[in-house]
Amino acid sequence: RKEVEQDPGPFNVPEGATVAFNCTYSNSASQSFFWYRQDCRKEPKLLMSVYSSGNEDGRFTAQLNRASQYISLLIRDSKLSDSATYLCVVNIGATNKLIFGTGTLLAVQP
Amino acid sequence: DVKVTQSSRYLVKRTGEKVFLECVQDMDHENMFWYRQDPGLGLRLIYFSYDVKMKEKGDIPEGYSVSREKKERFSLILESASTNQTSMYLCASSAGGIQETQYFGPGTRLLVL
Repeated sequence: RKEVEQDPGPFNVPEGATVAFNCTYSNSASQSFFWYRQDCRKEPKLLMSVYSSGNEDGRFTAQLNRASQYISLLIRDSKLSDSATYLCVVNIGATNKLIFGTGTLLAVQP
Repeated sequence: DVKVTQSSRYLVKRTGEKVFLECVQDMDHENMFWYRQDPGLGLRLIYFSYDVKMKEKGDIPEGYSVSREKKERFSLILESASTNQTSMYLCASSAGGIQETQYFGPGTRLLVL
């Protein structure tokens, strides 16, 4: 089993739609969770950290389910500019080693 | 604003050449990382460093070495480039602590012929 697994997509959604991505991780000792965004041929950039209580940043909501070992990202009212690959990232143990998922491609259509 | 720069955006080398990829960060971060990114495989950690002159192997260190002589600079070296090292190489840095974000450079697309 991969340490971090994501549905690769693509997710093709119309503008204004709500879309959700899930990500599962294998190591129950994982402590830190992030969503990064990567535009085509660009570097990954932090979208948001994921906290145990769940957190929201504008149209974006991230949630963590430790019992089932998955994190989710919800995007409301999708914009064309949201089109990108979304990377699920999980930190292992006491080091700063991050494990990156292979990403989920989102294409928002006009 | 954190800035991580990489010496080249695109690089073409021949098999057997020695290749140097340089990374510089301007935020006094302790930690620096080298990843490669390939389609379908995601980002894979090659080497990382917690401090000057310190290095740790990542998941795929074979065929690579690194150097960190100064805190702000982390170099990746391909001792003898091979075609299977054609990839996108991404450098990142972070401050200490598990929760700290990693900031990435723009990447170097390396083609080994």
